[in-house]
Amino acid sequence: DAGVIQSPRHEVTEMGQEVTLRCKPISGHDYLFWYRQTMMRGLELLIYFNNNVPIDDSGMPEDRFSAKMPNASFSTLKIQPSEPRDSAVYFCASSRIISTDTQYFGPGTRLTVL
Amino acid sequence: SQQGEEDPQALSIQEGENATMNCSYKTSINNLQWYRQNSGRGLVHLILIRSNEREKHSGRLRVTLDTSKKSSSLLITASRAADTASYFCATPNRDDKIIFGKGTRLHILP
Repeated sequence: DAGVIQSPRHEVTEMGQEVTLRCKPISGHDYLFWYRQTMMRGLELLIYFNNNVPIDDSGMPEDRFSAKMPNASFSTLKIQPSEPRDSAVYFCASSRIISTDTQYFGPGTRLTVL
Repeated sequence: SQQGEEDPQALSIQEGENATMNCSYKTSINNLQWYRQNSGRGLVHLILIRSNEREKHSGRLRVTLDTSKKSSSLLITASRAADTASYFCATPNRDDKIIFGKGTRLHILP
């Protein structure tokens, strides 16, 4: 298995632009998580899905952030419009069981908003 | 909501020495996990210890769990340069969400 795949690996954009981050979870995993990591706040859970359904989006910082999972093998995290404070590393992770199972992380997308 | 918190925030040791990191958490848990993150990479799962276990080993890793003190420790024996990374503990909160601490940055000196 290729593991969790994220694209792009790096994204540099200007304030106000739309940003779309993509994730392919491990096949057979029922849960998908989106995290944001910054030096100041550490690793924050933004949203997670179970069987393609969003379960908890309480970590999504603002309405500018949205996430979708149209099928079991693909999810997107969109920021529109982007702001400099959105600059961070965004990770996608997947697991079989939410709280007792291992989470497998992708390599992350480093987002820089100028 | 902050659940697990690692201590120390940063640790530098000589290659070959043992490294110990601690994690304290607030609410009762059924398991605790440790992850490693190398610079520029995603987190990698190291070990999971359940609440009915007191100690677990995996290679050069030894994890202990003390549920009465709500704390766990991760010991890396005979450290190597490749062990330089950040180490995170992760615990489930009351909503069954895994919460990661802010990590311990471990630096192995040659």
